[in-house]
Amino acid sequence: GQQLNQSPQSMFIQEGEDVSMNCTSSSIFNTWLWYKQDPGEGPVLLIALYKAGELTSNGRLTAQFGITRKDSFLNISASIPSDVGIYFCAGQGTSYDKVIFGPGTSLSVIP
Amino acid sequence: ETGVTQTPRHLVMGMTNKKSLKCEQHLGHNAMYWYKQSAKKPLELMFVYNFKEQTENNSVPSRFSPECPNSSHLFLHLHTLQPEDSALYLCASSHYLSPGREQFFGPGTRLTVL
Repeated sequence: GQQLNQSPQSMFIQEGEDVSMNCTSSSIFNTWLWYKQDPGEGPVLLIALYKAGELTSNGRLTAQFGITRKDSFLNISASIPSDVGIYFCAGQGTSYDKVIFGPGTSLSVIP
Repeated sequence: ETGVTQTPRHLVMGMTNKKSLKCEQHLGHNAMYWYKQSAKKPLELMFVYNFKEQTENNSVPSRFSPECPNSSHLFLHLHTLQPEDSALYLCASSHYLSPGREQFFGPGTRLTVL
């Protein structure tokens, strides 16, 4: 079945550093979604991407829909302690397809 | 209340108990989902309801029984669970057929089966 891979699995960074993570698939997707999950809470939608090559920002977060439609990237600039959490990517083919979630990237920020 | 709410937030039950998880969405959505999240595993889709009709059952054991009385409410009835069923159970909702079906999640119910 369809699977998403996220890298890195986990990362420890210093406060103020920039962060990059990515998500890859063996299948083509028409939509990419990025979520963040705080400990003990449900995932919260950060950014949605609908078009290959699209670059979308949400505050210090920027996500890109890869040109091949098989990958997506999330960057966080000037990280702060509240950025700690697990970041999930999710992809969908057509509107009738179910959304596939990646395994997540765990981010720790050292003050 | 706004968004997606779930009750209870925490539940401890024995293997012979029967309990129910409740989810309510206040977003006007018409699709609702149950997910299971275990430690170090991706989110596992369990059930999908579109316009109150179940459209997906991802080979979930019958000890999990969903119910969707209307587009705003979703229940997960639990009976004779196993310890390996301990996990965070997440409810989500979306517009049916919206691009990407952007799903909005509740805070989850942390279930422990003894």
